[in-house]
This record gives sequence, C-alpha cells and structure tokens, in this order.
Amino acid sequence: QSALTQPASVSGSPGQSITISCTGTSSDVGSYNLVSWYQQHPGKAPKLMIYEGSKWPSGVSNRFSGSKSGNTASLTISGLQAEDEADYYCCSYAGSTNWVFGGGTKLTVL
Amino acid sequence: EVQLVESGGGLLQPGGSLRLSCAASGFTFSRYSMHWVRQTPGKGLVWVSRINSDGSSYADSVKGRFTISRDNAKNTLYLQMNSLRAEDTAVYYCARAEDYAFQHWGQGTLVTVSS
Repeated sequence: QSALTQPASVSGSPGQSITISCTGTSSDVGSYNLVSWYQQHPGKAPKLMIYEGSKWPSGVSNRFSGSKSGNTASLTISGLQAEDEADYYCCSYAGSTNWVFGGGTKLTVL
Repeated sequence: EVQLVESGGGLLQPGGSLRLSCAASGFTFSRYSMHWVRQTPGKGLVWVSRINSDGSSYADSVKGRFTISRDNAKNTLYLQMNSLRAEDTAVYYCARAEDYAFQHWGQGTLVTVSS
C-alpha cells in the first residue's frame, strides 16, 4: 500500500486560509469517505482534527474543515493562528482492514 | 479521561525481538478497535496493525514478523515484534479507533534497532 501524497510544506500568514491536499487512489481515498486528518506538534502525539472526511471531534475548532473530490481529500484551515503551526497528516481507510497515511505536510505560519 | 500508556521500547540488535505494551484506562477497553502506528524519527506516520473482536490485520511491511494481541481483562494491548530490522526503528504509538479514525493516542515508545 503506497502512502498518500501530501505537499511537503505549506505556509500562510495569520488570519489567512490555507489548504493541504491529500491524493490517494481509487482503492483508498476514492473508494471511502473515511479520510481523517491529524495535527502533530514537535515531540507530541498526533491529534485527530477531522474524521470521516469532514466531521469534527469534540473540542476541535471549526476553523478546520475537510472535503474530498475524487481521489483527493483536502484540509482547509481558516483564520490561521500561530498555534496552528505543526505537521499535518491525512489518513484513509484502504479496505481489507488496512489504513494508509500521507507523508505529512509542515505548516508554517509566517 | 482516556489514557493510553505505551511501554517496552528500547535498543536492540537486528534480528532481535521485543514486546510492546499499551495500558489503557478511562474507557471500556474491550469495546474498541485498537491500533499500532509508528513514526520513524523525523519522518511520517505509518499504520502497523489493528485488532478488534473480529480479528487482526497488519501492514505488509510487518506481516509475518509482528503479532498484535490484547488482554481485555488487563486493559492492555500488545505488539510482539520479531526478526527486527533497522527499518523498524521508530516511535510506536498505540491508538484507540472509532469511526475508522484514531481518536486517542498514547505518548509513544521508541524502538531502536541497530548493531
């Protein structure tokens, strides 16, 4: 199972919006509306930000939103804040009780 | 409060074996699918294995070498790792899954395979 493809890095200024893409295949992202997104600060465990493509876990800001088109899922962060600076990973269910992650995207808040 | 605490990591030589543990608390452990996810230092996350009442599954890279198990009476998840390779070096996280996503994570335990 190949990793999902994410841009290595994205950046934005405070208050702006950014979008991180996550491209898979028709066997994973394209087949299931089961993409999740994780935020990871240095030295910390990942934190779930979006599940089932566009749902928010309890306590997560609605500045984070998810969507999907075809084999590509996206995470949009609006109203960028300094604390959003982190690594972001997408993950998709890939069938046959397997999961696949993206390579991760480093978000820099300028 | 959901808590997951991994233990058992360490330094070992290629070909060696190690068993990781993940102690769970704050929820009914037996009701949830549990997973292991690893992260090579400075690199990305990789799904390793999962177990629930229906059985277990593994990433191709560890199939035949790693075995996931759980003791619901002890609220503990395990990962038995055999025939370890340098490329297995990583921080290993246990995670509680729900709705096909990893809702809660432990703090991770570092496994280093080196001669």
